Amino acid sequence: QKEVEQNSGPLSVPEGAIASLNCTYSDRGSQSFFWYRQYSGKSPELIMFIYSNGDKEDGRFTAQLNKASQYVSLLIRDSQPSDSATYLCAVQSGGGADGLTFGKGTHLIIQP
Amino acid sequence: NAGVTQTPKFQVLKTGQSMTLQCAQDMNHNSMYWYRQDPGMGLRLIYYSASEGTTDKGEVPNGYNVSRLNKREFSLRLESAAPSQTSVYFCATRRGMNTEAFFGQGTRLTVV
Repeated sequence: QKEVEQNSGPLSVPEGAIASLNCTYSDRGSQSFFWYRQYSGKSPELIMFIYSNGDKEDGRFTAQLNKASQYVSLLIRDSQPSDSATYLCAVQSGGGADGLTFGKGTHLIIQP
Repeated sequence: NAGVTQTPKFQVLKTGQSMTLQCAQDMNHNSMYWYRQDPGMGLRLIYYSASEGTTDKGEVPNGYNVSRLNKREFSLRLESAAPSQTSVYFCATRRGMNTEAFFGQGTRLTVV
């Protein structure tokens, strides 16, 4: 059974600080990794994806992947109240045809 | 360019009633998916269609059927609704492996 684990939170971070969101996955053959943001009552929207070990930066967001440790993280710098949302980690396992496996999400609260 | 369109957005059913959730995409993607999202459970895959003409069961297929009508449309049918099927249902599409999923707006279904 493919599993993706996230701390459900809530994770409370002061405005302007760095928010760090973590995710572990069980399938060592996983190939690609995605972070989605979901506002309450809305559908998930993609923030970033990462395929290779290391860091990938896009504006205030940095995704980090460590395949040996089966760990992926998302850093949000200069956190804003508008970043308050649930963040979903999604993983594509080796087969891939059956889509993405999602974690249960981390609820992030940015305190003004 | 609508992306992924789901209908209806809201629905209330009585136990034992049937209904079909519709999903249409104009992104020319091969793969389509139906997920349900419940509090504390994350997104769980119900059924998927890797390409036109094929459908397969996901993690939680019991009580559902699907039809991939053509490349654009993928419907989800509840033959005899149960209160346990109260959930938010999301349709998603992907171009292929190692690509992001795009989500529809969701259908909030309540079974009483």
